[in-house]
Amino acid sequence: DAKTTQPNSMESNEEEPVHLPCNHSTISGTDYIHWYRQLPSQGPEYVIHGLTSNVNNRMASLAIAEDRKSSTLILHRATLRDAAVYYCILRPAGGGADGLTFGKGTHLIIQP
Amino acid sequence: NAGVMQNPRHLVRRRGQEARLRCSPMKGHSHVYWYRQLPEEGLKFMVYLQKENIIDESGMPKERFSAEFPKEGPSILRIQQVVRGDSAAYFCASSPLAAGNTIYFGEGSWLTVV
Repeated sequence: DAKTTQPNSMESNEEEPVHLPCNHSTISGTDYIHWYRQLPSQGPEYVIHGLTSNVNNRMASLAIAEDRKSSTLILHRATLRDAAVYYCILRPAGGGADGLTFGKGTHLIIQP
Repeated sequence: NAGVMQNPRHLVRRRGQEARLRCSPMKGHSHVYWYRQLPEEGLKFMVYLQKENIIDESGMPKERFSAEFPKEGPSILRIQQVVRGDSAAYFCASSPLAAGNTIYFGEGSWLTVV
């Protein structure tokens, strides 16, 4: 029931940038785009979120398409510790129960 | 500032026993969410609670599962008469009352039914 589509897996080399895509063609005007990641045997970890403008924080950058139907999570310099499953979800501005469904995410593999 | 605390981290139960999983939200958070993750599968939403209220339990199995978030104390996810299929990781998350719809997860409770 997830409203987002992500590739099942991606592979990258250590110390190179990684671009993780997410399609959300049915996004509504009040939906925020959230990214989480889950390392093996751990709980999901918040990464970043945005509405319309691109966002940067210490972990990553989020590039949002002008029509908001897709977005890209950018890890500027991947490390082995970034190997995880990355989830893109839509959350309405008011929060609540809507938009709490996680899809299968993208399994990011980092090669040394 | 402590994060979302879950206990126990690991729990083993025999078929037919009860499992109780506890979750203390982050300080200042009054919204709690429970998720289940079966082996090799994604996160499945189970229930969303505020203090003393169940807001959305659309993801909860109809039988044997219940959740509460009392005025005082942690949120409890209770599974009665456990079966092998209940073996999974159960994650709790919390979010603040006002502004911000980011949810923060705990480290999970791993239930094994033998």
